[in-house]
Amino acid sequence: EIVLTQSPGTLSLSPGERATLSCRASESVTSGFLAWYQQKPGQAPRLLIYSGSSRTPGIPDRFSGSGSGSVFTLTINTLEPEDFAVYYCQQYKTSPQTFGQGTKVE
Amino acid sequence: DVQLVQSGAEVKKPGESLRISCQGSGYSFANYWIAWVRQRPGKGLEWMGIVYPGDSDTRYNPSFQGQVTFSADKSINTAYLRWRSLNASDTAMYYCARHRYRTAWSPSDYWGQGTLVTVSS
Repeated sequence: EIVLTQSPGTLSLSPGERATLSCRASESVTSGFLAWYQQKPGQAPRLLIYSGSSRTPGIPDRFSGSGSGSVFTLTINTLEPEDFAVYYCQQYKTSPQTFGQGTKVE
Repeated sequence: DVQLVQSGAEVKKPGESLRISCQGSGYSFANYWIAWVRQRPGKGLEWMGIVYPGDSDTRYNPSFQGQVTFSADKSINTAYLRWRSLNASDTAMYYCARHRYRTAWSPSDYWGQGTLVTVSS
């Protein structure tokens, strides 16, 4: 199975700053079969980015995804108070689909 | 609006069986794969597998194969996750989620609210 490793585990930032989250795959996730989710305490995950860089409708444009092959990045420009949450990457190229262990933005 | 509504929290004893449900509305339920995702307390997301309500085709994560069973009844727009014999390590929040695309290889764009399963003697 493809193992996804997210870094850092925790990102300590202030509102207005930029967050850069990394997701590294143990093998290539071709064609951008890579998604990013946001999860707040007590809530279900929310799909932010799919196909590596496509934003789900309704997601603010301060969220952007990039990368290819085995290295992907989620960038949050100008953090808003509601952006403090845990973020997960997911690959859906092969079965079993897998999630990274998460990055907490605090 | 697309919605997935899951059944309520459960408290069970080790060795008991359980089936939880996920009812979809606002879209063609039979035509989109449903994923099941486990989240243990304070931990990350684990992909358990998927079920296609149209023909009940299933794909299991090997880590969960034989431990759980997915099924679906398209006539009532409902997917199910079943355990024959629970143990304490099954204590977790379980989410169902709809695939964004009508394929088995897709992210999930709509999620249920989660069903908390607690297994304790």
